[in-house]
Amino acid sequence: SQQGEEDPQALSIQEGENATMNCSYKTSINNLQWYRQNSGRGLVHLILIRSNEREKHSGRLRVTLDTSKKSSSLLITASRAADTASYFCATGAQKLVFGQGTRLTINP
Amino acid sequence: NAGVTQTPKFQVLKTGQSMTLQCAQDMNHNSMYWYRQDPGMGLRLIYYSASEGTTDKGEVPNGYNVSRLNKREFSLRLESAAPSQTSVYFCASRGEAGNNEQFFGPGTRLTVL
Repeated sequence: SQQGEEDPQALSIQEGENATMNCSYKTSINNLQWYRQNSGRGLVHLILIRSNEREKHSGRLRVTLDTSKKSSSLLITASRAADTASYFCATGAQKLVFGQGTRLTINP
Repeated sequence: NAGVTQTPKFQVLKTGQSMTLQCAQDMNHNSMYWYRQDPGMGLRLIYYSASEGTTDKGEVPNGYNVSRLNKREFSLRLESAAPSQTSVYFCASRGEAGNNEQFFGPGTRLTVL
């Protein structure tokens, strides 16, 4: 069973706009990770946020975590065509449990 | 460094045939994983190995076997392939740096007819 659920399942925006994806999970966590998957490729780690952190930045990425609501969001600012990909949240330590992903399309 | 490599990239099998998917990592990681990804879905864990010589079942282990040949290599075997095993298979490894980041291979696209 999937631990995380991403919302929306698909998102299409214009280049330069911001993209926000949400992830909800079911059980208590120590940390939450976000991964990107380009079409036909393996997943690439983007960022990890620990349960005692509320917000974390990495370049154009901003991740928030609300443990009381068991939810996280990933914001990509000033989107580019190269950001077109699927984005997954994952929870766990030794074993990761992935959500179903948000398919993001950036239109030029 | 090559990171995580997988062979083959593509494979077509007939129902009942067997095959082994190979995975190797050159990052000296202890933990290795096999996932499957079905269309429009996230990844589901098949098996993992926390260290050389140990393997454990994940969420969907039925129909699969694994071997942790050494620290570098972790293979996935389908003894009698079924159409339900048509999927993309990813291998991953994880270091012990404490950040839980997993590094993924490029995947093997398997079709079972």
